[in-house]
Amino acid sequence: EAQVTQNPRYLITVTGKKLTVTCSQNMNHEYMSWYRQDPGLGLRQIYYSMNVEVTDKGDVPEGYKVSRKEKRNFPLILESPSPNQTSLYFCASSNFGGFNTEAFFGQGTRLTVV
Amino acid sequence: AQTVTQSQPEMSVQEAETVTLSCTYDTSESDYYLFWYKQPPSRQMILVIRQEAYKQQNATENRFSVNFQKAAKSFSLKISDSQLGDAAMYFCAFGYSNYQLIWGAGTKLIIKP
Repeated sequence: EAQVTQNPRYLITVTGKKLTVTCSQNMNHEYMSWYRQDPGLGLRQIYYSMNVEVTDKGDVPEGYKVSRKEKRNFPLILESPSPNQTSLYFCASSNFGGFNTEAFFGQGTRLTVV
Repeated sequence: AQTVTQSQPEMSVQEAETVTLSCTYDTSESDYYLFWYKQPPSRQMILVIRQEAYKQQNATENRFSVNFQKAAKSFSLKISDSQLGDAAMYFCAFGYSNYQLIWGAGTKLIIKP
């Protein structure tokens, strides 16, 4: 089954404790991205990657890191989480066949930083 | 910069009736795509319908159709014969050549039985 898998689905952590949210896709997609979703703001892009070892900043990259060592994986790293990073996070992937191709989303990760 | 505006934070409709969700956008691009995504309580983001800007014909997918007005930069979603399973957050999104999607704030759709 074609899917994007994020883990964990829920995470509560303390300020300053490094964490990683994993994202893996099994569709051989080149393009992957991370979004955060906040009430009243919709989804905002954090980082995206057009292929292995190619990453770039989205609209809200501060406080986040990513890596793309393998095509299927695109982890999101919070080196020193802060309460303003409490949010719902989504990973998405899509083909490079054209921008009209569908973006597939993971199930979301609800992160709370206390 | 591209922006997407959904002016209706919440809409409600009686089951089996028709409802229209509004979306406007601002861009100087000439070639782009527009999308409606549905997010049910499960949080999963599901593509409902897409529209290519160069196509004049409005996209349709079963009970879902769009009214795309390129000059007015408007992209509304019409849901016919509303069903309880249509209850969700609906997001309008704009995409262009750099593959980035710009999202509206969302509209919560409530279906009254």
